[in-house]
Amino acid sequence: GQQVMQIPQYQHVQEGEDFTTYCNSSTTLSNIQWYKQRPGGHPVFLIQLVKSGEVKKQKRLTFQFGEAKKNSSLHITATQTTDVGTYFCAVSGGYNKLIFGAGTRLAVHP
Amino acid sequence: GAVVSQHPSRVICKSGTSVKIECRSLDFQATTMFWYRQFPKKSLMLMATSNEGSKATYEQGVEKDKFLINHASLTLSTLTVTSAHPEDSSFYICSASDYSGQGNQPQHFGDGTRLSIL
Repeated sequence: GQQVMQIPQYQHVQEGEDFTTYCNSSTTLSNIQWYKQRPGGHPVFLIQLVKSGEVKKQKRLTFQFGEAKKNSSLHITATQTTDVGTYFCAVSGGYNKLIFGAGTRLAVHP
Repeated sequence: GAVVSQHPSRVICKSGTSVKIECRSLDFQATTMFWYRQFPKKSLMLMATSNEGSKATYEQGVEKDKFLINHASLTLSTLTVTSAHPEDSSFYICSASDYSGQGNQPQHFGDGTRLSIL
């Protein structure tokens, strides 16, 4: 079935530094979604990317979808302590099912 | 909008007990609901897809008789862990989607249920 590799598993940054998490697939993706899960919380939908080469921004967050639609990234500029959590990418598993990446756990130290 | 309520948030019970978890979409009709299991610091593992008015579709390796799913209405799905044992202890989380039949829709998650079997 569909799988997606997400790296790194863990990232520790100082507040103000940038952060990036990457997702890669061996097959072409129809779309990719990104979620954030705060410690002790539930995943919250951030964005969906559909088009080849698409770039979307949400304040300090920049989401990219590769030209070949096989990879995606989430970049956070100037991290803040409120960015702490685990970021998951998710790809279609057929019939609206989602297959989640392993997640990247972000720790931000003030 | 798109609020999903999951109840209870935490359950501690003895081995052999059956536990029922409810997942409700509060402000939209959820044609499809999903049940996940999440181990500490791990990703979400899809257990089953629950469709209103039809049988749930279980992922490979998930026991149907162990994890009973009912989706009686467009706003309610339930997961019953039957005869729970310590190895069933985990974080169970549901999500709901207003799947329109056209590609993936965002999933809206409940707060999860932390199940501890003694």
